[in-house]
Amino acid sequence: NAGVTQTPKFQVLKTGQSMTLQCAQDMNHEYMSWYRQDPGMGLRLIHYSVGAGITDQGEVPNGYNVSRSTTEDFPLRLLSAAPSQTSVYFCASSYGRGGNYNEQFFGPGTRLTVL
Amino acid sequence: AQTVTQSQPEMSVQEAETVTLSCTYDTSESDYYLFWYKQPPSRQMILVIRQEAYKQQNATENRFSVNFQKAAKSFSLKISDSQLGDAAMYFCAYRSARRAGNMLTFGGGTRLMVKP
Repeated sequence: NAGVTQTPKFQVLKTGQSMTLQCAQDMNHEYMSWYRQDPGMGLRLIHYSVGAGITDQGEVPNGYNVSRSTTEDFPLRLLSAAPSQTSVYFCASSYGRGGNYNEQFFGPGTRLTVL
Repeated sequence: AQTVTQSQPEMSVQEAETVTLSCTYDTSESDYYLFWYKQPPSRQMILVIRQEAYKQQNATENRFSVNFQKAAKSFSLKISDSQLGDAAMYFCAYRSARRAGNMLTFGGGTRLMVKP
């Protein structure tokens, strides 16, 4: 298993550009989520999904779109990049409910710089 | 909404000594999980230890143990026999046991330095 993979690892954008951060998992996890980590801070939830076709907003959703057309993939779209979106982005996944504790698996992160 | 607070931005410890990292949280829920994650310079998020709120016994994982005080909403991490490889950012995190999605709420982190 590759686990949770994210591409690209690094990206530099200009203000106003759009792009998609890719996230994929091969563990058949129902739940997936996106977090951002600003310098010296903890991770904050952007969007999450509890299954294909189902997404919802987290703490800091503005400026980002998500969709979940398959169980494996959960892309994060920046519509019009702003310097405030300079951050490290983490994707995570886990099994859904089932009465048991289900560990979150994190991807390696994407470092995004918006100039 | 839940909040997680780590009041120590930085801590340092001598190699082989013991250090305790603090974490407090606020929630109205009774069923939840608490975690400590380690983030080395590689950025990878590594689960160190977890605690189920319904368990009174404190979790331990080798040199890592927690002091879970549910009434006080406190969840500290003790690292015994500190090693150079323990140097990293440490994040305390909360997760509801009831809400779908398994989303985590993180504290601001504590940078741990280990002196040889």
